[in-house]
Amino acid sequence: DTAVSQTPKYLVTQMGNDKSIKCEQNLGHDTMYWYKQDSKKFLKIMFSYNNKELIINETVPNRFSPKSPDKAHLNLHINSLELGDSAVYFCASSQARTQQYFGPGTRLTVT
Amino acid sequence: GQQLNQSPQSMFIQEGEDVSMNCTSSSIFNTWLWYKQDPGEGPVLLIALYKAGELTSNGRLTAQFGITRKDSFLNISASIPSDVGIYFCAGQRGGADGLTFGKGTHLIIQP
Repeated sequence: DTAVSQTPKYLVTQMGNDKSIKCEQNLGHDTMYWYKQDSKKFLKIMFSYNNKELIINETVPNRFSPKSPDKAHLNLHINSLELGDSAVYFCASSQARTQQYFGPGTRLTVT
Repeated sequence: GQQLNQSPQSMFIQEGEDVSMNCTSSSIFNTWLWYKQDPGEGPVLLIALYKAGELTSNGRLTAQFGITRKDSFLNISASIPSDVGIYFCAGQRGGADGLTFGKGTHLIIQP
């Protein structure tokens, strides 16, 4: 019974391509998030999203866009991939102000 | 973006020793959290703190929410080999805000 799941686990692609990472949570939470973890293990918020509001970290390039088909899913679309986009991307979810639960991560490698 | 100052960056200790790590911030957070990350996995919540001054335990782990709301510490008593990993502090201002993470403390335990 995976609470927050992500696919794929690993993604290797070339510069310039467009790719998507999917996230699903079965916890009934109302808020979902995307984080980026760099090679030094630093975790940084990219987006938070609930039914009412999308909050975007201003440092995130507009090549990144979250898409939520329904409350249980928040997918991450990335256009024109660059070498610097290589990282581990984590999806998370929470119910209002309660603790956030993280998915297992997607390791993106851009060559 | 803001970062939390987490220290120490790494710790090499003997099994059975107690561990202490802390986080400080230049601004106030309304929630402090401590996560542990194992290799290839997402962060897993250890302790969540919601009130200034709050002291909370989870087994051998104890964490406190600083009275100024600008700091928190985590103690691990009688460390065991499975405590190895990266420990992250995180602060949240409220609502659907994303978490602001510290840079992590790498804990290495020598048997």
